[in-house]
Amino acid sequence: DVKVTQSSRYLVKRTGEKVFLECVQDMDHENMFWYRQDPGLGLRLIYFSYDVKMKEKGDIPEGYSVSREKKERFSLILESASTNQTSMYLCASSSQWVAEAFFGQGTRLTVV
Amino acid sequence: AQSVTQLDSHVSVSEGTPVLLRCNYSSSYSPSLFWYVQHPNKGLQLLLKYTSAATLVKGINGFEAEFKKSETSFHLTKPSAHMSDAAEYFCVVSPLSGGSYIPTFGRGTSLIVHP
Repeated sequence: DVKVTQSSRYLVKRTGEKVFLECVQDMDHENMFWYRQDPGLGLRLIYFSYDVKMKEKGDIPEGYSVSREKKERFSLILESASTNQTSMYLCASSSQWVAEAFFGQGTRLTVV
Repeated sequence: AQSVTQLDSHVSVSEGTPVLLRCNYSSSYSPSLFWYVQHPNKGLQLLLKYTSAATLVKGINGFEAEFKKSETSFHLTKPSAHMSDAAEYFCVVSPLSGGSYIPTFGRGTSLIVHP
């Protein structure tokens, strides 16, 4: 069965902390994505990666960075967390040949 | 850029009555389109997908959607709502950009089902 695993379901961090959100997929997919979900706004793309060490900015990359050192792992980094980054974060992966993406369960991040 | 518009932020129906959730897309070519459902405190679940085969697509739990190119629509329907259908629904288009398909989400429609 297809699996995208996010390391934490819930996280609480303090303003100014450096935060790492981790995502691992077991399907050998080329593409991986990070989205942010907020009520009334749907899911908005932060960054995506189409290969190891390759990344592209999405619609809302400000305040975030990413790392993809291995094909199966894609990390989202908040260099200095702020309260406006309190949100649900979802990771996804897909094959480069197919439009369907597979999603993790999400990490609900609260920045206090 | 391709995008999707979900025409209703909330839809309220009575149990046993039909459901219609509306989605319009913008695309310069035949797109790949999806509907996902998200129940409270749960992850996204794929309901159905259109990838240029049959225009009427059947999904899980009795849902279906019809791709209408002339109207650039991909509305989700169900003949009879059940209480368990209460959830957030997302219409998604996946355009090809630089060699990769990039899922682009609508803002979501909250389906409320009354007993």
